[in-house]
Amino acid sequence: TAGITQAPTSQILAAGRSMTLRCTQDMRHNAMYWYRQDLGLGLRLIHYSNTAGTTGKGEVPDGYSVSRANTDDFPLTLASAVPSQTSVYFCASSVGGETTEAFFGQGTRLTVV
Amino acid sequence: GQNIDQPTEMTATEGAIVQINCTYQTSGFNGLFWYQQHAGEAPTFLSYNVLDGLEEKGRFSSFLSRSKGYSYLLLKELQMKDSASYLCAVRDNNYQLIWGAGTKLIIKP
Repeated sequence: TAGITQAPTSQILAAGRSMTLRCTQDMRHNAMYWYRQDLGLGLRLIHYSNTAGTTGKGEVPDGYSVSRANTDDFPLTLASAVPSQTSVYFCASSVGGETTEAFFGQGTRLTVV
Repeated sequence: GQNIDQPTEMTATEGAIVQINCTYQTSGFNGLFWYQQHAGEAPTFLSYNVLDGLEEKGRFSSFLSRSKGYSYLLLKELQMKDSASYLCAVRDNNYQLIWGAGTKLIIKP
């Protein structure tokens, strides 16, 4: 069972360039999330989607955009990367927005130089 | 503001018991989660508490006191593979998860 898959696993990106981090789940979960994890800080929510066709802003949405065209995919786009976006990005999904545990992808380590 | 506090690092001995504390101040409360995260890997779910008291699951137990804004994760019979970070997260009134920075647990032989 694949679960939740992220791509790429790591990337070095020049400042000012755009990039899309991919996330796909095969669990038919309604809710999906994008977090960033930085040393010494807790996971911070960037954007979320409670169901296909809807998205919402999390704690740190600036500089990022998402779309949810279908249940399985939830890509995260950086329109013009800046060094402060250097982080590990985790995509997660759960059965519903209000309940239960979240399942995480393996993460994308992004370095913006 | 919303805040989740956990110790940054703890050390324990293989075979022993360790308690990792978590205190929280959030805009409302709709459940508390504990996750385990090995270095370089994704967080994985350990436990969920929404009512006061102790939830036991094998070697791991989690306790919640909503009136005190307090939880702990108890790990018994520690094994080397338990070396990891343990993340506490609280779901607030908006049903969003607020995460602590995590406690790095080091197990020594």
